[in-house]
Order: sequence, then structure tokens, then C-alpha cells
Amino acid sequence: DQQVKQNSPSLSVQEGRISILNCDYTNSMFDYFLWYKKYPAEGPTFLISISSIKDKNEDGRFTVFLNKSAKHLSLHIVPSQPGDSAVYFCAASARDSNYQLIWGAGTKLIIKP
Amino acid sequence: DADVTQTPRNRITKTGKRIMLECSQTKGHDRMYWYRQDPGLGLRLIYYSFDVKDINKGEISDGYSVSRQAQAKFSLSLESAIPNQTALYFCATGGSAQETQYFGPGTRLLVL
Repeated sequence: DQQVKQNSPSLSVQEGRISILNCDYTNSMFDYFLWYKKYPAEGPTFLISISSIKDKNEDGRFTVFLNKSAKHLSLHIVPSQPGDSAVYFCAASARDSNYQLIWGAGTKLIIKP
Repeated sequence: DADVTQTPRNRITKTGKRIMLECSQTKGHDRMYWYRQDPGLGLRLIYYSFDVKDINKGEISDGYSVSRQAQAKFSLSLESAIPNQTALYFCATGGSAQETQYFGPGTRLLVL
């Protein structure tokens, strides 16, 4: 039973437009959420995070939104750039499980020129 | 130089063989992790260690063992490899509970 779900295996977006990647979770105990980015032949790299006490966190072109009532978070990238083409993983953790990360399956983002 | 290194980067082995994947880090972190990634799935935690004397099983530890030789080194062993252990394996480090985890480049393992 997947506790963190990324229902879109891939997403194609025009360069300069907004990319929106979605993530749903089922465990109400999750209190910390992260987005990682992964290029081929490399390990995942941290992108942005959000605590459950917030509903938005922004870092440059990247913004993460958290809707706790819907158990949903999203990552917005504005404007999208060619270098943003990668696989994006959503991950969640809870204090009562020592903040072990539970990962979604990833969404492959393709930025078209 | 990379902060988290994994050796080997690629490995092909046969069913029943014992193999070891190694991980080293220069970030000075206490916490180290081993994950595997399968196609269509996210990363799943195999084992983790909060310091040299602390080893914990993760979600999918069966068929694996680990050794934390030093703060900087954490190795993963497959005692008797089987084909469904074919996967991409990642090592990661972290400084504290909520701190970002830093990943190595991965080891691609094929068990024939």
C-alpha cells in the first residue's frame, strides 16, 4: 500500500511555462515533506521542503504548496527551463518513525523548447 | 570530489553469489542510509544507521545485511544474491532527523 503517490509518471511542459507536479499521501502522521530531483546516472538531490505547520514554501523558481485537509502537495516551477527536465520525487516523513523518508514513484518532467 | 561515493557503479553477478556494495562520505554526517529503487517505484529503505553502533532495519531488509565500519563508511551486503534483487542501489547521508539527505550516484546491480 503506497503511502505517497505520484499519479503522473510523466509531464511535458513548454519552456517558460509553469510546471505543476502533484503528490498525494495517505498517512496523516506525516509532518515533513520534501521534493528531490534526479538526473540520469546521478543520485537524487534535495530541492525544497515544507513542514506541516506551513502551507507554502518558496525558493526562487520553486514553490511547494501543502493542503493538509486534502493530503496533497504540489511543486510549482515558474518559469520552466530546459535544465528542469528530470525525475521529481516527492517524499514524506513523520517524527514518530524517526523521520524515515517514504517516497513516491516519481514524475518525469520534460521541458520542451 | 563527490561528498558521497559508491563502489562499484555497476555490477553483474550470478544467483547465489555474495556481493558487497560500499559507500563512503566526507560530509561528516552521523546518519547513513541504503535504499533501492525499482522501475515504477520510489526509493525504499533497506537499512539505516544513526551512528557507528546503531544499525536499524528499514522497510525491505530481508536478504540484506550492513556494516558500519566507521562514521564515514557504510557497506551493504547481499549474502546470496537473487534475481529480484536486481535494482539501482543508493547510499545517502544526513546530519539530523529532518536534515536533507545527500545521495551517492547509485550502484546498478544485475543478478542473473
